[in-house]
Amino acid sequence: SQTIHQWPATLVQPVGSPLSLECTVEGTSNPNLYWYRQAAGRGLQLLFYSVGIGQISSEVPQNLSASRPQDRQFILSSKKLLLSDSGFYLCAWRQTTSVTQYFGPGTRLTVL
Amino acid sequence: KQEVTQIPAALSVPEGENLVLNCSFTDSAIYNLQWFRQDPGKGLTSLLLIQSSQREQTSGRLNASLDKSSGRSTLYIAASQPGDSATYLCAVKGGGADGLTFGKGTHLIIQP
Repeated sequence: SQTIHQWPATLVQPVGSPLSLECTVEGTSNPNLYWYRQAAGRGLQLLFYSVGIGQISSEVPQNLSASRPQDRQFILSSKKLLLSDSGFYLCAWRQTTSVTQYFGPGTRLTVL
Repeated sequence: KQEVTQIPAALSVPEGENLVLNCSFTDSAIYNLQWFRQDPGKGLTSLLLIQSSQREQTSGRLNASLDKSSGRSTLYIAASQPGDSATYLCAVKGGGADGLTFGKGTHLIIQP
């Protein structure tokens, strides 16, 4: 069966510090991968998606970036965090032959 | 740009009641609509997915309907239980980015 992991589960970072959140999927190959953010008072917002290694599409201009160095690994990064980057970050995947997205447990990021 | 609205934002009802959660979307050109459940601080669990050609889907005590032309969907929960307490999210897949557009959710509390 397929599973999706995210780490860390919780993170508190100062403004201006770098960020690296990791997402990995097990039990499947060549999945589509997604990063979403859930900010306070707002709905889940798609940040990035990837259809293959090294292929990243950005949906929202911001100081975040994403990378996919391996087939089942998706990384969300920032060089300098802003207060507005605080939120709950969710990674998701789907099989290319399916329409259903499956979500990871999320990372709670607080920028102080 | 697709916008998804969920009404009500919060709902508290006694155990055993049947209830309806509402979702509306502005662009009717969707591929599918999904209802998710989110427990506090957790990821999302997919409940039901309705393809654009379908009118409804059922799973246990849950029934979701879709009226694509009017841009509406409802999630019906029969015989509610305290374990149903969670935030329910509606999301649509459109023809643009390969991701979902979410509503802000309905926070549901079932009183024992």
